[in-house]
Amino acid sequence: DAKTTQPPSMDCAEGRAANLPCNHSTISGNEYVYWYRQIHSQGPQYIIHGLKNNETNEMASLIITEDRKSSTLILPHATLRDTAVYYCIVRVGSGTYKYIFGTGTRLKVLA
Amino acid sequence: DAGITQSPRYKITETGRQVTLMCHQTWSHSYMFWYRQDLGHGLRLIYYSAAADITDKGEVPDGYVVSRSKTENFPLTLESATRSQTSVYFCASRRVGGAGELFFGEGSRLTVL
Repeated sequence: DAKTTQPPSMDCAEGRAANLPCNHSTISGNEYVYWYRQIHSQGPQYIIHGLKNNETNEMASLIITEDRKSSTLILPHATLRDTAVYYCIVRVGSGTYKYIFGTGTRLKVLA
Repeated sequence: DAGITQSPRYKITETGRQVTLMCHQTWSHSYMFWYRQDLGHGLRLIYYSAAADITDKGEVPDGYVVSRSKTENFPLTLESATRSQTSVYFCASRRVGGAGELFFGEGSRLTVL
């Protein structure tokens, strides 16, 4: 089953880029990588997803390695409001829709 | 307004009681999910559903029952609540096809005394 591994916590200075790594070494060839974040106790919020190529939207950039075994979420100019838990997830098994979140990375943006 | 809503937002009950948490979405998304989140932990998948009348177990299904008679509703029932089921419960939905991100409700905080 495809699963992800993330560091439990990271700090980042305000205004600097936050780079959050994720390992998904068992990902299948046609599976997307998704990133979500959860602020306080709110429902998780979608950030970005990707398959093979790097992706960018108004919130973040996603860099996926060529072998697709890992990826990095980049918040280019972190603000205090980016303090949250960030989850990297993939679907578990083909033909199912089991999205397993794990414990994520708690990002703290420091003033 | 369109979206995904959960009710009740807060519930206190006693051990052994039956509790049903409701989830309603207005997008006609085929897929719906129930997660629980315990203090200091990530989200764990309880059950999910691919369509009306199609459900499947997630990581932690024991003690829970789900049904999906209508596409827009996905209730989660604790038939005999236990203290270990004290948690925040999140419902989510996604559309068919494409990459399809999950859309989450605001959560239902359940306390079992």
